[in-house]
Amino acid sequence: KNQVEQSPQSLIILEGKNCTLQCNYTVSPFSNLRWYKQDTGRGPVSLTIMTFSENTKSNGRYTATLDADTKQSSLHITASQLSDSASYICVVSWNTGFQKLVFGTGTRLLVSP
Amino acid sequence: SQTIHQWPATLVQPVGSPLSLECTVEGTSNPNLYWYRQAAGRGLQLLFYSVGIGQISSEVPQNLSASRPQDRQFILSSKKLLLSDSGFYLCAWRSPGDGYGYTFGSGTRLTVV
Repeated sequence: KNQVEQSPQSLIILEGKNCTLQCNYTVSPFSNLRWYKQDTGRGPVSLTIMTFSENTKSNGRYTATLDADTKQSSLHITASQLSDSASYICVVSWNTGFQKLVFGTGTRLLVSP
Repeated sequence: SQTIHQWPATLVQPVGSPLSLECTVEGTSNPNLYWYRQAAGRGLQLLFYSVGIGQISSEVPQNLSASRPQDRQFILSSKKLLLSDSGFYLCAWRSPGDGYGYTFGSGTRLTVV
């Protein structure tokens, strides 16, 4: 069964600190993996997208890594800001002729002053 | 540039009442369109997708239906809402053949009372 699991479920960090969010997946055949940021009550916004051959992708203070062998990804946030408080969702695409997405349940991050 | 509009942002409806949520995309043609639902504490679940006018595919059996009367318009409907229809509904689009460009609308928070 295609699944995406994220950890931790929630996280509180102090402003200025770094943090790492984890994503494990069992999706096959794998197409690509995305990290989205979703503010409360809003639609998800794409942070990074990685294909099978990419190991790392950065977007400002966000750096995503992908290990396709172990089917694991991480999202590292450096020098956190209050505006980073949001849910971070890992999404894996599998291609069955019409590409579909499998969503993780997200990690809720709270950056505290 | 492409934009996606979704409305209303919030909606409170009584059980048994009808529903109509609308999503429109600008700046592109022949997009693939999607309706997702996000229940509290759950990942996004694909409800419907469409690859063209009048072409609707349903992912899960439910009390909802979708229609695509125009190329860039996607409508989510119900004749009689159930309490279990409450949730956060998201419309999304991407260009056919583009595995990366999923863009989400801002969402509709539906509460059935």
